[in-house]
Amino acid sequence: KAGVTQTPRYLIKTRGQQVTLSCSPISGHRSVSWYQQTPGQGLQFLFEYFSETQRNKGNFPGRFSGRQFSNSRSEMNVSTLELGDSALYLCASSPAREGLGETQYFGPGTRLLVL
Amino acid sequence: DQQVKQNSPSLSVQEGRISILNCDYTNSMFDYFLWYKKYPAEGPTFLISISSIKDKNEDGRFTVFLNKSAKHLSLHIVPSQPGDSAVYFCAAEETSGSRLTFGEGTQLTVNP
Repeated sequence: KAGVTQTPRYLIKTRGQQVTLSCSPISGHRSVSWYQQTPGQGLQFLFEYFSETQRNKGNFPGRFSGRQFSNSRSEMNVSTLELGDSALYLCASSPAREGLGETQYFGPGTRLLVL
Repeated sequence: DQQVKQNSPSLSVQEGRISILNCDYTNSMFDYFLWYKKYPAEGPTFLISISSIKDKNEDGRFTVFLNKSAKHLSLHIVPSQPGDSAVYFCAAEETSGSRLTFGEGTQLTVNP
């Protein structure tokens, strides 16, 4: 089974621009979560999508948004980029079975650099 | 408010010896715990998990121990190998949501 894939792997943007990152989950996985990793803040949860609906959200400003499509693929958008948005953005997928602790499997990440 | 803490930023062990990585948590609603291994500029790789109804889970060289009363878990790697050198993250989740809370990570170095 193919793992979680993320595109693009690397991205350079300037302040004020917007960016869209893409994630394809493991086949059969219905939940997709996004995380941001920075040296100062570590790995932080952004949001989670299930059945095309945002089910869970972390403490990030409204500039960070996402969506999920009917095939479970997900996109994440960051508008009005700031220097502090430079980070590794990670996508993770899980089967989303009810009532069980779920293991999330991560993609390789998209490295975003904001200049 | 750091709900998951890994107090040791780094750990160095000799090849063949045991590596013990520790993690503490404060949120009593956490009931599923995971360990991930991570290399720079790559996504975390799942290693092993444990549910709060257990106190131990083994998978090959990796064993995770959970002490719920102390809100503490540990990862034991025996025997340690140079290829185990990486950053190890502890993560916790409430069953009610798919949201992992991560510790700060511990850099493990296994010396040949």
